[in-house]
Amino acid sequence: DTGVSQNPRHKITKRGQNVTFRCDPISEHNRLYWYRQTLGQGPEFLTYFQNEAQLEKSRLLSDRFSAERPKGSFSTLEIQRTEQGDSAMYLCASSSLLGTGGADTQYFGPGTRLTVL
Amino acid sequence: AQTVTQSQPEMSVQEAETVTLSCTYDTSESDYYLFWYKQPPSRQMILVIRQEAYKQQNATENRFSVNFQKAAKSFSLKISDSQLGDAAMYFCAYGYSGGGADGLTFGKGTHLIIQP
Repeated sequence: DTGVSQNPRHKITKRGQNVTFRCDPISEHNRLYWYRQTLGQGPEFLTYFQNEAQLEKSRLLSDRFSAERPKGSFSTLEIQRTEQGDSAMYLCASSSLLGTGGADTQYFGPGTRLTVL
Repeated sequence: AQTVTQSQPEMSVQEAETVTLSCTYDTSESDYYLFWYKQPPSRQMILVIRQEAYKQQNATENRFSVNFQKAAKSFSLKISDSQLGDAAMYFCAYGYSGGGADGLTFGKGTHLIIQP
């Protein structure tokens, strides 16, 4: 169990550019979640996958945000035409019904910090 | 919609003392989980403790324990024998457990300071 990993850890981009973040969940976890965390706030849920199926996407912040999990393993979160308001920490978490910490306990990665200039 | 409220933006405690962090939540569901997560400065979110709503017994993990009051929708975290390494942001979170998984709803967090 190597934990949830996210890449890159930091991303600086100019307004209007597209960015993509990657999340690799714990290997036996079939559920994967994306959150956004702004300064001084708790994480805000964005979207959720069970295997390759995206079961919840209504809380993606706008149509500029999209996520994929093509083979039910790693996931990507893309933000198109970035805006300064997109600057935040983007967190990924994974879980399993059979997780040792209890069913569907979510384990978080270190996050990707996005700065939009 | 579910909400989670942490009314203490910041708490301070002397090393080796006990501190309690408060959390209240609002939900119309009966099947759910509650969590406390710890987020040290510039480090990732770590699970501290978990409570299933159907369990009457309060969860404990070493120096960490909760006081779960389902009727009052209250879920406080007690940290005994506070250590310098406990300094962090602590987030209370709610998760619905009926009908499949979903994202967690977090409070705004409590910044815990440990004074040596």
